[in-house]
Amino acid sequence: QKEVEQDPGPLSVPEGAIVSLNCTYSNSAFQYFMWYRQYSRKGPELLMYTYSSGNKEDGRFTAQVDKSSKYISLFIRDSQPSDSATYLCAMSESPRTGNQFYFGTGTSLTVIP
Amino acid sequence: GAVVSQHPSRVICKSGTSVKIECRSLDFQATTMFWYRQFPKKSLMLMATSNEGSKATYEQGVEKDKFLINHASLTLSTLTVTSAHPEDSSFYICSAIAFRIGKGQPQHFGDGTRLSIL
Repeated sequence: QKEVEQDPGPLSVPEGAIVSLNCTYSNSAFQYFMWYRQYSRKGPELLMYTYSSGNKEDGRFTAQVDKSSKYISLFIRDSQPSDSATYLCAMSESPRTGNQFYFGTGTSLTVIP
Repeated sequence: GAVVSQHPSRVICKSGTSVKIECRSLDFQATTMFWYRQFPKKSLMLMATSNEGSKATYEQGVEKDKFLINHASLTLSTLTVTSAHPEDSSFYICSAIAFRIGKGQPQHFGDGTRLSIL
C-alpha cells in the first residue's frame, strides 16, 4: 500500500463549479499537510499548508484535514480556467523525525470556460 | 513568500556532456534541499536529499556518481548530471525547506529544468 493515495483524474468541470480534490494516507504519524498546484512545464507551487486536523481557508481555496479518517481535501470555489493544473497533495511527520515528504501522484484538473 | 530559483530552465546538449543545474533559495536560508525527477504525466520522484555542508543522501536506484550533488551554502545546491545520455532526458526539479527550529516547514519548489540529451 502506498503511503499516500490520490486519484489521478483527469477531472473536468465547468467554470464556476466547486472542485473537491482528495488524498488518503496510511501513516497516522503525518502531522503536516500540503497542497501544491503544478502548471505544465513548471515546478509545483505551494497553495496550502496545514498542521494537524481542521480547516484552513485562503481566498477561493479551503484545505481540510481529518486525521481520524486519514483523509485530506482541497476545495476550490468558483473555479476558473486558470485553475486548470495538476494538484499534488503532500505530507510529512514531525521535523524531529527528519525531512521526508510523501507526495500523491497528482490530480489533473481542467476548468472549462 | 519563499522563492526558489532554478537555473537553467532548459538545456539541450549532446550525449556525453555534463550538465550542471543550480538551485538557489532567494529570500531564506535552506538547511535542506531536495532534487526530484519528473516524467511526463507522472508524480515527483525523489532522487536525493541534500543538507548544507554534508554529503547528499541518495534514494535507492539513483547513481551517486552519475548525479553529483553539492550543497555548498545555505542558499545554493547544485546537481551535475555527468556524461549525460538520452535516457537522462527528463524534467529535474529542486526544492528547499526554510530553517525553523522545531517546526515543520513545507517545501518550496523551483520551476524545474527540462534536460534534453541528443
